[in-house]
Formats: sequence, C-alpha cells, structure tokens
Amino acid sequence: EVQLVQSGAAVKKPGESLKISCKASGYPFSNYWIGWVRQLPGKGLEWMGLIYPDDSDTRYSPSFQGQVTISADESLSSAFLQWSSLKASDTAIYFCARPRSSGSSVEGIDVWGQGTTVTVSS
Amino acid sequence: QSVLTQPPSVSGAPGQRVTISCSGSTSNIGSGFDIHWYQQLPGTAPKLLIFGNNYRPLGVPDRFSGSKSGTSVSLAITGLQAGDEADYYCQAYDASLRGWVFGGGTKLTVL
Repeated sequence: EVQLVQSGAAVKKPGESLKISCKASGYPFSNYWIGWVRQLPGKGLEWMGLIYPDDSDTRYSPSFQGQVTISADESLSSAFLQWSSLKASDTAIYFCARPRSSGSSVEGIDVWGQGTTVTVSS
Repeated sequence: QSVLTQPPSVSGAPGQRVTISCSGSTSNIGSGFDIHWYQQLPGTAPKLLIFGNNYRPLGVPDRFSGSKSGTSVSLAITGLQAGDEADYYCQAYDASLRGWVFGGGTKLTVL
C-alpha cells in the first residue's frame, strides 16, 4: 500500500526549533516529488515547498522561503520540514503530499500524509 | 490571498446539482496546466477528487465531474448527498512559482 506517515503532534514554545517527518512506503521514494502544505486553523491549503529526493532539487513558495527548510533522506525514505525558530503564527496542520506520477510535479496529488499538528505557544 | 480564486461557499438541497468555479492566471491555468480538485472532510487530509481537469480516481463516484474550457474551470456535483458536505479545493502547477497553487477553498453546505 502506498502511504505517507507523518510524525506526531508537536507542542513547542516560540523560538524553539522543530523537525517533522514524512515516511514513505509502497513506492520508489526517490522518483516522486514530495510537497509540504500548510493549513492554518480554520483556513485553506497553502503550498510551502517541494523536494525531489533523487537529486534533492528543492523549491520553496516565496511565502516560506527562508522560513523553513525542506530536506529528504533516501536511506530513510523520508522527507522533513524544519524550523530553526518557531513563531506562534506557525501553529497549523502540516501535510506532506505526493503527486500521482513519478518525476512530475504537475500532476494531481493522490497521496497525502495524515497531517502533523504543530502548536507554538508560550 | 490564494493564487486561484474560488467562491467561499455554495449550497444546495439533497439531490440537486451545484458547481464550483476556479479561476487563475496566465502562469497556471492560462498556461495550460491541468486543474485538480480535492475534497476535505472535517479533521481529515484532502482527498483527490478530480485530476487532469476531468478524470476521476478509482472509487470517486461519477456524481463528481470537472471541466475546463480555456481559462474557465469548474467542478460539478450532482445528486447532492449529506455526506458531500466538505471543503473543496482546486489546485494547479504554477510556472512562475515552479510549484503548486491552491484555491482558497469552497465550503459546500447540503441544506
């Protein structure tokens, strides 16, 4: 079964760092783009960035460039999203997601992680 | 503000038909990139509903259909059911961003 399983919910204080994960299984991890999508409480979906694990080609939305770091580890079949200094405004649900076709980032997204809830509060 | 524009809400009675529009710009829909639609039920991850403008993944009922004509894109849902109450999002690839763009989402209420 093709699936993306994300790390559990995190509760952090402002200024702390965090790295959440997305573990892939059931398909060749290296050959599919993985994207990260943010959903603020009660709001819509926002694309944050994409990574192609095979060559680590990484793209960021201008809204998130410099705010987060996206990485992948082929040996772990996992993608990661990390913050060096969290803010209260980072409180959201974060989804990892995979397009339906290998090597393409323009196809529909047919595999989603279950979401990781990040709460940043003092 | 989302790159793709959708109406914030639509509603219809059980059995009726509703449509949700989605508009973009020259760097996404206008460049010929396909539109994809997602259904998000409360507390769950989005689910692919329509890909490639008008194709349904296995298991999606044919009550859901997508269309694209030029830069006009829409999702139609016929035979509305209570279980269709959800948020619906359009999505495409954007050549300027070199990534994904989403609509702001449309909340469907079944009256």
